[in-house]
Amino acid sequence: DVKVTQSSRYLVKRTGEKVFLECVQDMDHENMFWYRQDPGLGLRLIYFSYDVKMKEKGDIPEGYSVSREKKERFSLILESASTNQTSMYLCASSLSEWGRYGYTFGSGTRLTVV
Amino acid sequence: DQQVKQNSPSLSVQEGRISILNCDYTNSMFDYFLWYKKYPAEGPTFLISISSIKDKNEDGRFTVFLNKSAKHLSLHIVPSQPGDSAVYFCAARATNTGNQFYFGTGTSLTVIP
Repeated sequence: DVKVTQSSRYLVKRTGEKVFLECVQDMDHENMFWYRQDPGLGLRLIYFSYDVKMKEKGDIPEGYSVSREKKERFSLILESASTNQTSMYLCASSLSEWGRYGYTFGSGTRLTVV
Repeated sequence: DQQVKQNSPSLSVQEGRISILNCDYTNSMFDYFLWYKKYPAEGPTFLISISSIKDKNEDGRFTVFLNKSAKHLSLHIVPSQPGDSAVYFCAARATNTGNQFYFGTGTSLTVIP
């Protein structure tokens, strides 16, 4: 069974902290994505990557950065956490030829910034 | 600018009846559409898809309809079951946007036993 694994289910961080959210996939997918889910706003794309060391900004990249040093791992970094970054963060991956199933999502990380 | 919209945040349906979830889009270049289902504290999971060359795709109790002229997508669940209670997201992709899907805001379906 293919998997996208997010390292933490729940995180509580303080304002101003640097926060790392980790995502690992075991499907040899080329593409990886970070979304945040907020009530009434749906899923919004933060960053994505088509290949190792490549990254592209999504719709809401401000306050975030990413790192993809290995194909299977895509990290989301909150440089200085703020309360408006409290959200559910979802990692996803897909093949370049993404087939009929679109993305495979991880279970999410619920981040609370206090 | 929201390219994919789900105007109903929530829907309640009696068990055994039909659930109809709607989705509208603005980009006429979208050529592939998906529905995802999401339970609390879990990631979305793929439910059903449809290509723009079709107007209907059926998989068991789930049917997706596509009306390209109206830029409208709907998901029908018949019969609805309590286990169908979840948030449903529609998503759309265009060839000229690469591999990025655009998601709607979600509809929370509650199936009442």
